[in-house]
Amino acid sequence: EAGVAQSPRYKIIEKRQSVAFWCNPISGHATLYWYQQILGQGPKLLIQFQNNGVVDDSQLPKDRFSAERLKGVDSTLKIQPAKLEDSAVYLCASSLDGSSGSTDTQYFGPGTRLTVL
Amino acid sequence: QKEVEQNSGPLSVPEGAIASLNCTYSDRVSQSFFWYRQYSGKSPELIMSIYSNGDKEDGRFTAQLNKASQYVSLLIRDSQPSDSATYLCAVPDTGRRALTFGSGTRLQVQP
Repeated sequence: EAGVAQSPRYKIIEKRQSVAFWCNPISGHATLYWYQQILGQGPKLLIQFQNNGVVDDSQLPKDRFSAERLKGVDSTLKIQPAKLEDSAVYLCASSLDGSSGSTDTQYFGPGTRLTVL
Repeated sequence: QKEVEQNSGPLSVPEGAIASLNCTYSDRVSQSFFWYRQYSGKSPELIMSIYSNGDKEDGRFTAQLNKASQYVSLLIRDSQPSDSATYLCAVPDTGRRALTFGSGTRLQVQP
């Protein structure tokens, strides 16, 4: 079974530039998450999708961050304009989320390491 | 806001010893708890989940949960240098299932 795919793996940009990250979840996984992990911290949820609908984007800085999952499969996270404090690893995760009511395992992609200069 | 607290470490143990990693959480209604391992430069991978009070064993790993004290721990027996990593405790939000992570404990196993 193929894992969660992300691209690019690394990105270096100047502040105020824009950047986009792509994620393809495990086939059949309904739920997709974007997390931001700043060095020395645990991952922090940015946005959660269930199929192509947003479940939670309360921690997404909407003035500069946007995300979409148009067909309920792959997803794009965009930052425009970037700030120095956006330097982090952006992790995409997916889970099956069946009807059992329990929390399904989240599988993480390799992440995209963003450096903002 | 839900909080998950971990000692950042580093926790240094000799090879073959038991490593004990601890985590406390603020949300009393939390029902499930996860331990992820993250090697430097890599993404988190799930190593243990626990839902009920008591102990759950999987190979060299044992997760312990005490809901009354809002405390979950991970024991690693016969620690190996390959266990050197950051261990993240995570608690899902009720309903939405997104994870709130602690900041992680860095474990160093000395050969």
